Amino acid sequence: DIQMTQSPSTLSASVGDRVTITCRANQSISTWLAWHQQQPGKAPKLLIYEASSLESGAPSRFSGSGSGTEFTLTISSLQPDDFATYYCQHYNSYLVTFGGGTKVEIK
Amino acid sequence: EVQLVESGGGLVQPGGSLRLSCGASGFGFSNFAVSWVRQAPGKGLEWISYINSGSGNIIYYADSVKGRFTISRDNAKKSLFLQMNSLRAEDTAVYYCARLAPGYYYMVVWGKGTTVTVSS
Repeated sequence: DIQMTQSPSTLSASVGDRVTITCRANQSISTWLAWHQQQPGKAPKLLIYEASSLESGAPSRFSGSGSGTEFTLTISSLQPDDFATYYCQHYNSYLVTFGGGTKVEIK
Repeated sequence: EVQLVESGGGLVQPGGSLRLSCGASGFGFSNFAVSWVRQAPGKGLEWISYINSGSGNIIYYADSVKGRFTISRDNAKKSLFLQMNSLRAEDTAVYYCARLAPGYYYMVVWGKGTTVTVSS
């Protein structure tokens, strides 16, 4: 099975900060990677697919990059709505797995 | 509006059964593959089952639920189901249904979830 590892697990930041989250796969997944945002008490929401494609309706301050085994999600200027947990997800096969999540907290 | 709404969660004793439903609206349900994903309290997301579009003849399960859970769909009723048998404490979670991107295995639309608690 493909394992996804996110870092850091928790991140403290302020409104306006630039934030970067890393996701690593234990084998190459090309660009078959998505990022989901989960606000407290809510369902996840798709932000990015195919490593760097912004989902329709997602704010342009979110961007993704990477290929192979290393990927990043960047928030260019953190907004109050962005304090949430972020999950990467590979979809290299039907047996999808998620990273452990990165919680973005208010500093 | 594209929407998925889960129902059927509740409190059940270990060894018991429960059937979850997920109603779809705002899109052609039969045209999309769908999955169930769960989230144990305070934990991350775990994919548990997939069913393809149309006839639903292609089905996959995570090892953690294989042999105990059964996924199915009724396109006429625009509904997805998850029959859960032999429930264990570790099945306690919020269960989400999710619509997948056409031809891919990533989740595009998520329901709000339904809570299953397995406890005596």
